[in-house]
Amino acid sequence: KQEVTQIPAALSVPEGENLVLNCSFTDSAIYNLQWFRQDPGKGLTSLLLIQSSQREQTSGRLNASLDKSSGRSTLYIAASQPGDSATYLCAVSSLTGGGADGLTFGKGTHLIIQP
Amino acid sequence: DADVTQTPRNRITKTGKRIMLECSQTKGHDRMYWYRQDPGLGLRLIYYSFDVKDINKGEISDGYSVSRQAQAKFSLSLESAIPNQTALYFCATSAGGGVVETQYFGPGTRLLVL
Repeated sequence: KQEVTQIPAALSVPEGENLVLNCSFTDSAIYNLQWFRQDPGKGLTSLLLIQSSQREQTSGRLNASLDKSSGRSTLYIAASQPGDSATYLCAVSSLTGGGADGLTFGKGTHLIIQP
Repeated sequence: DADVTQTPRNRITKTGKRIMLECSQTKGHDRMYWYRQDPGLGLRLIYYSFDVKDINKGEISDGYSVSRQAQAKFSLSLESAIPNQTALYFCATSAGGGVVETQYFGPGTRLLVL
């Protein structure tokens, strides 16, 4: 059974700092890996999707990397802003399901950016 | 208007009652999913559907049933609600058809079972 772990569970940093969120998964047979953002009272918003054949994806100040063989992914946030405060979730889809049979999520990292 | 909508947004019910959560989407996606989120446990998959005739159980389907009434509608039912089904429920969609695409989530339904 796939298990996804996110470290740290919570993080508080001053505005302007660069930071890294970590995600690890136990089964390397993944189809893709996704990072989501969750704001209180709202649904999940997709930030980045990395296919299993890719090493990284970038969107603005966000960069996600994937090392499938070691079962790890990182989300790098550059020049953090108070608006980045949210819970960040990592999720993987299985290779056998072709990415279709749902996602396995980590428990998330609760991020607070201090003004 | 939101692409994935869920009704109701909040619901309080009593143990033993039947309750239905509804999800509608305007994205034209074939695949739809139901997840629940519990504090400290993350999101877990309940059921998923590839089309109106293809329904599959997820990790935690016991105590739940679903209905895919149309491509755009996917409902989750709790036949006899119990307190440990108190959670935040999310519906999600994805395109399917060989397209590598993310899942799009609704705003969630917060359910409290007394």
